[in-house]
Amino acid sequence: AQSVTQLGSHVSVSEGALVLLRCNYSSSVPPYLFWYVQYPNQGLQLLLKYTTGATLVKGINGFEAEFKKSETSFHLTKPSAHMSDAAEYFCAVSGGEGNKLVFGAGTILRVKS
Amino acid sequence: NAGVTQTPKFQVLKTGQSMTLQCAQDMNHNSMYWYRQDPGMGLRLIYYSASEGTTDKGEVPNGYNVSRLNKREFSLRLESAAPSQTSVYFCASSAYPGTGELFFGEGSRLTVL
Repeated sequence: AQSVTQLGSHVSVSEGALVLLRCNYSSSVPPYLFWYVQYPNQGLQLLLKYTTGATLVKGINGFEAEFKKSETSFHLTKPSAHMSDAAEYFCAVSGGEGNKLVFGAGTILRVKS
Repeated sequence: NAGVTQTPKFQVLKTGQSMTLQCAQDMNHNSMYWYRQDPGMGLRLIYYSASEGTTDKGEVPNGYNVSRLNKREFSLRLESAAPSQTSVYFCASSAYPGTGELFFGEGSRLTVL
């Protein structure tokens, strides 16, 4: 069975600082990996995805993530945080039985001015 | 640009009452999903429909039923609501199952007293 672990339910950074949100996955097959973002009172929207090929994936709003198979990780980064980045971020994996998408518990990002 | 539309957005029920959450997508997607979101638990899949005419259980199907009415519409029914079903419910769709690129509605907040 597939699973996702997001380290840190809350992360706080200063505006302009590096954002690092951690995600580790478990999968018995080559995974597809995703980061979604949820702004208050909204649904989730796709930030970026890894399927095959290049392990460094660029997404919207300056975010990127690197697939590291040896570490079973897919951490999300952004060089410089902006106030508008404050939201909840979800890592997700698919590719197993039924190809269903499995989400992590989420990390709430707070950006301080 | 409607995307995925859910109704109602808010609902309060008493224990034992029934209700149906409606979901419609206008993107001609084949697959549709119902998730529930609870604090600290991420999103958990209730039911999904890989294609019109098929439905399958997800991770937490007990207490729910679904109907894929046509390609556009996928409803979720609570036959006898329980306080444990207090949650935010999200409908999502994707072009094909397993791609992971889900498009979400804005959510339906349900409270069961």
